[in-house]
Amino acid sequence: EVQLVESGGGLVQPGRSLRLSCTASGFTFGDYAMSWVRQAPGKGLEWVGFIRSKGYGGTTEYAASVKGRFSISRDDSKSIAYLQVNSLKTEDTAVYYCTRQPGAYRFDYWGQGTLVTVSS
Amino acid sequence: QTVVTQEPSFAVSPGGTVTLTCGLSSGSVSTSYYPSWYQQTPGQAPRTLIYSTNTRSSGVPDRFSGSILGNKAALTITGAQADDESDYYCVLYMGSGANWVFGGGTKLTVL
Repeated sequence: EVQLVESGGGLVQPGRSLRLSCTASGFTFGDYAMSWVRQAPGKGLEWVGFIRSKGYGGTTEYAASVKGRFSISRDDSKSIAYLQVNSLKTEDTAVYYCTRQPGAYRFDYWGQGTLVTVSS
Repeated sequence: QTVVTQEPSFAVSPGGTVTLTCGLSSGSVSTSYYPSWYQQTPGQAPRTLIYSTNTRSSGVPDRFSGSILGNKAALTITGAQADDESDYYCVLYMGSGANWVFGGGTKLTVL
């Protein structure tokens, strides 16, 4: 059974950093690209960024709203994708989901999300 | 900046048929945008319904179907059931750089 479990969220002050983790099981993690999607309270979904599989270079791309502040990495030996979030702003408050990408153009499985609250 | 548009809300009667749409603030949606659809109930993670315009994800009943209608992507639910009451999001693939852009979501009420 495919499972994605996010962790690392919490309450953080503006300007600080956080690293979120997405721990995968039930599939060969290294074969898949992984995306992060966030949802601010009461708002819609927003794609944040993704990381390709090592077979496709392991490169990353980001939404304009987070480029330069967020970075995604992966550890295929541990089946974990990471989202490093720096210089946090109050508008980064959201539930952060990781999602698996079986192809270039879609998401299939989603984790349950981890809440990041940015507040002083 | 490209905006993906969806109806903010829609209502359907139990057993009825409803079509939700996904458009662009400028231009037409085509299969080249690989539209996909996700269902989300409050407090839950999104669930993948449709990808690449009209392919149902594993386990999704055939009451859900996707298509291109005119200049928009569309999600049609036939024989609506009470547990279809959810938020529905479409997302379009904009290519390298902009990648994926979600619509604002449609809140579907079954009453």
